[in-house]
Formats: sequence, structure tokens, C-alpha cells
Amino acid sequence: ETGVTQSPTHLIKTRGQQVTLRCSSQSGHNTVSWYQQALGQGPQFIFQYYREEENGRGNFPPRFSGLQFPNYSSELNVNALELDDSALYLCASSLVKALGGGNIQYFGAGTRLSVL
Amino acid sequence: AQKITQTQPGMFVQEKEAVTLDCTYDTSDPSYGLFWYKQPSSGEMIFLIYQGSYDQQNATEGRYSLNFQKARKSANLVISASQLGDSAMYFCAMRADILTGGGNKLTFGTGTQLKVEL
Repeated sequence: ETGVTQSPTHLIKTRGQQVTLRCSSQSGHNTVSWYQQALGQGPQFIFQYYREEENGRGNFPPRFSGLQFPNYSSELNVNALELDDSALYLCASSLVKALGGGNIQYFGAGTRLSVL
Repeated sequence: AQKITQTQPGMFVQEKEAVTLDCTYDTSDPSYGLFWYKQPSSGEMIFLIYQGSYDQQNATEGRYSLNFQKARKSANLVISASQLGDSAMYFCAMRADILTGGGNKLTFGTGTQLKVEL
């Protein structure tokens, strides 16, 4: 096990609603990244948080937002849900050092979101 | 921009045999890292192996080895002595610009579904 936990495991929402997904990082890690994985596809990078600030964003609209807390846990918030937001949402934590290094991202088991 | 291509949507291998999963990549960054992850049906992405673009030797981790050919921009995963538990989806991924520590974004391919048979 990676030590990265996500909640809830499954969620069903209706179009237009808002959702919050949670992630608890592996102990000692300071960076959290979120990915969206549609059925049959590879994960797509949403954004990452480093020291409680957004530090890199993929091609996702502003209705996707997040937070990182002092204990390095994180939330992903999605407003005005659309049918295409149905996917597996994966959280990954890593230890990013000041200068380079091949830091490894360790993933949780994901939250499966269905939008009806 | 980075791009990962996995051309094998599905692969079959017999138990105890070796299998190679293909991955080619495209990037203009001078330094980058290549990763392989395993995703069982449960959904969790499990890290398998990492190769830095400046590493002189191919990476190995137990039964996993990465056949890195920089000139061909390929990073194939070799699994030796396949086991039934190896049946899963396998993703190749890249992160650019590792030497300056910039960014943490992984770009994934579309994956290869591996089925290990008796």
C-alpha cells in the first residue's frame, strides 16, 4: 500500500451539483497532484499543490479547484458538474525537493464519480 | 509538449514467460523521467519502475526492467517470469524537466491491458 487514501470511494451526483473529493497524502510528502481518468483512457493531469499553493495546472476549467492543508492533505472541488466529469479521480503524493530528482508519485485508489 | 504512445491495447502471455510492453515518447525537453505504473481493476496506480533520461544504465526493479533506447525515444517495460497477479492495465508515463525540479505533471499513455494465462 502507498499510504495515500482517498474518500469517498464512489460518488453519484446530478448535473449542476458540486462535489468535494478528499485525499490524505503519504507521510512525509509535501506535494499533491490530482488526475482525472475517463473510462478506457490514461489519467489526465488536473493540477498540483506544493506547500499549500497551486503549482501547475492542466487543461481544466476554473470550476475545478483545490486546496492543500498544512498537514498536506488535499481536496478537489468541482462546481457545476457536467456529464463528462464522470471519471475516476486519482490523487498522488510525492516529496518534491528543492532541486530536481526523480521524485516518484504514489497514487491512491481513486474516487469514482458518476454524474447523472 | 510531451506525448506518450502505447500501441498495444491488449497483450496475452503465458505464466512464467517474459513479456515486453511497448512505449514511445516525444518531448523537446532536454531532461525528463519515464515511469511505468500498473493499474489493477481496483483502480489504484501502482508505481513499478523509473528511468531518468541521463541515467547511463537501464533501470531494473525485481522482475521489472526498462529497456531505454534514447535515440529511438522508446522505454519498453519487460516483465520476466509472468505471474497471474500481473494481469492488469499498464501505463507508461513521462515527466519533463526533472533536473530543475520544475513541475510534477505526469503525461500518460493510453495503456496496455495485460492478461497472464495458465
